Amino acid sequence: DTAVSQTPKYLVTQMGNDKSIKCEQNLGHDTMYWYKQDSKKFLKIMFSYNNKELIINETVPNRFSPKSPDKAHLNLHINSLELGDSAVYFCASSHLPNTEAFFGQGTRLTVV
Amino acid sequence: AQKVTQAQTEISVVEKEDVTLDCVYETRDTTYYLFWYKQPPSGELVFLIRRNSFDEQNEISGRYSWNFQKSTSSFNFTITASQVVDSAVYFCALRRNNDMRFGAGTRLTVKP
Repeated sequence: DTAVSQTPKYLVTQMGNDKSIKCEQNLGHDTMYWYKQDSKKFLKIMFSYNNKELIINETVPNRFSPKSPDKAHLNLHINSLELGDSAVYFCASSHLPNTEAFFGQGTRLTVV
Repeated sequence: AQKVTQAQTEISVVEKEDVTLDCVYETRDTTYYLFWYKQPPSGELVFLIRRNSFDEQNEISGRYSWNFQKSTSSFNFTITASQVVDSAVYFCALRRNNDMRFGAGTRLTVKP
């Protein structure tokens, strides 16, 4: 009964490839996020969606494109992968306006 | 703009010592929410506590306690009688609506 699930958990790919990470939440939340955690553990917000609408796009390269087909899903597609994209990507969800965010287990992306 | 500062990058203590993790935040909003998360070596992000800006009561949960002071924009976290299992990276976060920002994290190592 995973609340926020991401797939895949690990992703190793070559530079220049395109890849997607899927995220689903079964909590009935209306807000979903993508965060990037770098090697120094810094958690940076990338995108925030509320009811399928993009709310925050935090100066992320255009190569990153989130897609929210419905309230329960927020997928992340990355084009033309670069070495610097290597990181752990976390999906999260929460209720507006004040509750905690629940996180997926993370996707470790390694670009070689 | 919202900002969270965790000035302590790493802290190392010996088991049974008390330890306080500092968190200072910046926001122009009067309504906001503060959180602490724990990230153990396994990598998942575990929610610990939520506080809203109108509730300055301190909270205690077992060995954990939190001190919220609006006058100094701080939301500090104390672990009493630390244990090896407390070793993790701890994040403080600030949320307003769909925007949730994390501090850089404090890596706590508890040695036996």
